[in-house]
Amino acid sequence: DTEVTQTPKHLVMGMTNKKSLKCEQHMGHRAMYWYKQKAKKPPELMFVYSYEKLSINESVPSRFSPECPNSSLLNLHLHALQPEDSALYLCASSRGGGQGNRAEAFFGQGTRLTVV
Amino acid sequence: RKEVEQDPGPFNVPEGATVAFNCTYSNSASQSFFWYRQDCRKEPKLLMSVYSSGNEDGRFTAQLNRASQYISLLIRDSKLSDSATYLCVVNRRGSYIPTFGRGTSLIVHP
Repeated sequence: DTEVTQTPKHLVMGMTNKKSLKCEQHMGHRAMYWYKQKAKKPPELMFVYSYEKLSINESVPSRFSPECPNSSLLNLHLHALQPEDSALYLCASSRGGGQGNRAEAFFGQGTRLTVV
Repeated sequence: RKEVEQDPGPFNVPEGATVAFNCTYSNSASQSFFWYRQDCRKEPKLLMSVYSSGNEDGRFTAQLNRASQYISLLIRDSKLSDSATYLCVVNRRGSYIPTFGRGTSLIVHP
C-alpha cells in the first residue's frame, strides 16, 4: 500500500473561516510534508515533520498551523486565509532520516482550496 | 542559481517520437534523484528513481551524470497518454527532503 489519503478533496472557505486539512498514511513513514502548489508551478515546501516533530517551517504565515497527532496523521489548520492562499495543498510522506535519505516521497491527491 | 533546474518547455512531439529531458542540480553532494509525472490538476506520481548506473522501465530510461550534475529522462515511442508535466526531484545529501524542479511540459499530438 503506497497510498497517502487527503481529505477533503475540495474546500471553499471564507476569509474568516477556520478549517482543517487532513492527511493519513499507513506505510510506516516517519517523514511527512505539506506542500502548496499554484497553477503551472512546482510544489513549494511548507512544513516537514520528522518522527512527529516539526523539523522545518519554510517561513509559512501563522494563518497556517500544522499538527501531527501521531505517526500516521498530519493536519493543516487554516484560519483567516487570504484569496491568494487559494492553491492545491499536497501532503506527502517518505521513510525519513537515515536510510530513508534515499527514499522517494509519495503524494496524496491534494486538497484544492479556494478562499473567497 | 536554483537547486534544481529544468527547461519548462513545452515539448511538442508527434506520437511515436523519442523525447529527452534534462535536469541540472547545483548541490554536488545530492544523493537521490527521481522523476515524477504530474497530470493537470492531479498530484505528482513517482515515475522512476534514477540510479548511478542508469535504469530503464519499458519505454522510459533515466540516466545520472554526477560529473556534470544532471539527470535525464528519455521517453521512446511517445504515446498521447504521456502528455503531462515531468518533475525532476533531488534529495539533498544528509536530507530526505525532496526538492523540485519547475517541471517540463510534454505534449504528444496525433
